[in-house]
Order: sequence, then C-alpha cells, then structure tokens
Amino acid sequence: GAGVSQSPRYKVAKRGQDVALRCDPISGHVSLFWYQQALGQGPEFLTYFQNEAQLDKSGLPSDRFFAERPEGSVSTLKIQRTQQEDSAVYLCASSHTTTGGWNEQFFGPGTRLTVL
Amino acid sequence: QKEVEQNSGPLSVPEGAIASLNCTYSDRGSQSFFWYRQYSGKSPELIMSIYSNGDKEDGRFTAQLNKASQYVSLLIRDSQPSDSATYLCAVRDSNYQLIWGAGTKLIIKP
Repeated sequence: GAGVSQSPRYKVAKRGQDVALRCDPISGHVSLFWYQQALGQGPEFLTYFQNEAQLDKSGLPSDRFFAERPEGSVSTLKIQRTQQEDSAVYLCASSHTTTGGWNEQFFGPGTRLTVL
Repeated sequence: QKEVEQNSGPLSVPEGAIASLNCTYSDRGSQSFFWYRQYSGKSPELIMSIYSNGDKEDGRFTAQLNKASQYVSLLIRDSQPSDSATYLCAVRDSNYQLIWGAGTKLIIKP
C-alpha cells in the first residue's frame, strides 16, 4: 500500500473492556513497531517484529498487552481489561530494513484510545 | 536510563528567520539520529537522518551532529508558518533501540 494504515482511528472503551488495534504496514516492509504516545510526550516503544517474529517486547507495560503478526504483514495489538492509564495514541511504524530494524521508520496515523 | 533530552518550548520564531532545535542524548554508543516532525493530531513524519559527525543539508533543513558532545541539532532556514509543529529527536542507541525525546514545539509567527 501507499503507507502504513491503522484501524480504528479512534476507540472509546469502558474500563475493563478488551480492545484490538490493527496495523497494516507498507507492503514489503520487514520490520514493524508499536509505540504508545501520551499527550505532550514522544513515542514510547512497546514492541518490535521482524516478519512474524516478535524480537523485542520489552516495552509492553503489563501482561495485559499482547501483540502478534502471524503472517509477517498485518499486526494486532490487543489490550485486555483496559485501564484509564492505557488512554493514549497507539502508533504503528514499519521499516524495510533489517539492520537492527531500527533505521528510518514510517508511521501510520495512529489509534487514539480513550478508556472511560 | 538512556535518555534523549529536548527543550519542550514553545520556541517562537519570526517567519523567514532560522529556527534552531537542539537535542542531547546520554548513550555514547548511539549510532543513528533522526528528526521527525509531528503536526497536532497527526503521526510523526521523518524530516532528516544523520549518521556521522558534521552537517547534513536537505533543502531548508540542516542536521548537525557532534558525537563528542552528544548533541544533535536541526536548523530550519527561511522558516514558514507551515513549519509550525512539534519536532521529535530520535536516537538509535547501542542496543539498536530507538529512544525518543519528548519533542520541541515550534511556532513560526507570520
């Protein structure tokens, strides 16, 4: 595709509800990243995939957060039993390189999650 | 704790002047340095990347890197109102992780 796409763009959840956020990376991009961005802050790393392999999940804040990329393209970030502190913009980025996977990253529009 | 520091601003610059944005980082083993622009409510977009000491120019933008001082900057010449945004500095550290600053809000006054 032309760019990274994410859905939904906006999600309102009641506390305790489970949510699933989807990311479609740029076609052919090997590396995929999830970030959490709070208002007025830079993105905070959550997890990294190279193809279908989750190589780094050190940034996931709790075991309520789970990410997968089963076929090496589309990825889903799932948050179970959402809490108010989970409210943030969730950004997905992809990169075509595998050199550490950390070179130029292209971002999707993000999903703004609001937990009431 | 590896850190990337930026002045949060806002930095106010008259239209047509040079805007200077600064970033310092703590990990001496850092390899790559990136400047992203983020408009309000939008996702970050890559402006410049720099990998070696010195200056790198691209149009109105110049990135400057000084690894000895652990300092990277972005200069925007002939600032335009459309340059008003938050500028995020991102550093790839020795463990290949991308560490982000909190961003500097830039306002270009017509």
